[in-house]
Parts: sequence; structure tokens; C-alpha cells
Amino acid sequence: KAGVTQTPRYLIKTRGQQVTLSCSPISGHRSVSWYQQTPGQGLQFLFEYFSETQRNKGNFPGRFSGRQFSNSRSEMNVSTLELGDSALYLCASRWVSGSVADTQYFGPGTRLTVL
Amino acid sequence: KNQVEQSPQSLIILEGKNCTLQCNYTVSPFSNLRWYKQDTGRGPVSLTIMTFSENTKSNGRYTATLDADTKQSSLHITASQLSDSASYICVVSEEDGNNRLAFGKGNQVVVIP
Repeated sequence: KAGVTQTPRYLIKTRGQQVTLSCSPISGHRSVSWYQQTPGQGLQFLFEYFSETQRNKGNFPGRFSGRQFSNSRSEMNVSTLELGDSALYLCASRWVSGSVADTQYFGPGTRLTVL
Repeated sequence: KNQVEQSPQSLIILEGKNCTLQCNYTVSPFSNLRWYKQDTGRGPVSLTIMTFSENTKSNGRYTATLDADTKQSSLHITASQLSDSASYICVVSEEDGNNRLAFGKGNQVVVIP
């Protein structure tokens, strides 16, 4: 079974631009979560989508948004990029069984650099 | 204040030696605790998961312990290998039905020959 895939793997943008990142979950997984990872802050939760609906949201400004499609693929958009948005953006999917022990499977991440 | 604190922040160990990583948390009510391994340039990979009733879980040379009373966990790496060089992240799940997770900043381990 293929793992979580993210595209693109690397991206360079300039301040003020916007960017869209894509995530394809493991087949059968309906939950997709997005995280921002920086050396200083570690992993920070952005949002989670389940069945095309946003279930949870972290403490990020409205410039960060996402959506999920009927095939569970998800996209994340960041508008009006700032230098501080440079980070590794990770996507994770999980099978929602109702068990508290559902494991999240992470993709390789998209490395975003804002100049 | 971060709800999950990991120590040491980084350490260097000789190949073949053992090491122990610590994770202290304040998340409540507690649901489960996971340890992830993240290689440079890759996404985290789950090593172990422990619920309230479990106090030890092994995955090969990795052994995690959990003391839910003191809210502490450790990850012990036995007979370290060069491939163990990575960041180890402790993740604690809150039992609120929303899959709310609290992340530590990771223990950076470097194994040298």
C-alpha cells in the first residue's frame, strides 16, 4: 500500500506570494492533518480534515487554509507569504476507527522557503 | 508553556552504546503517548504507542516506558546503530474525542562510529 505522498517536495517563493501544497493520504484513510515544523517550534498543528470537513484547527492566522476533496486528497494554501512561513509542512493521514490508538502516518513533507 | 517537554535536547552517543530519552507532559486528561522517529528530510515514523494502562512497549531495539502517575515517559535505545541518528518526538494525545495532540520539540540523537 502506497504511503502518504506530498507535492511538491521543495518550493521557493517570495514574500507576498501565495502557495498551495498537496497531500494524498494512504488509500482508505479519510482523515488528513497538516503540520508546520520549524527548528525552533517543532511540530505545530495546523488543521485536520475528515470527510471533506475541517474537524480541528490550530492557532494559525487565517492566511493558512485548507480543504479536502471527496477522494480524501487534501490541499493547504498559504496566502500573503511571510519570511516566518519558511518551514517543513507535513501532512499525516489516519484510518479513523474510533480507537484512541489510531496511528498517524506522515508524508515526507514539503520544504517551503520564503525569500 | 509547552505541554510536552523532552530532554536532553540533543545528545551524541557512540555506536553500540545505549541511551535514554525523556518526555514529561502535563496533558490532561491523558489518552495515549507516542514516540516517533524522524530522519533528516523525512516525515516522522511511529515507533510505539502506549495507552494509560500500558507501562512498557518495545519495537526492536526501542523500548518505551510510561508512568501515567508522574506523567513521564522514556525511550530507551539499545545497542545504538548509525541509522538511529534522528530526531525522536514525543506526542501526547488528549482524551477529548477530538484527537488533539501535543508535540514535544524532539530529542536530536547523533550516533558516531
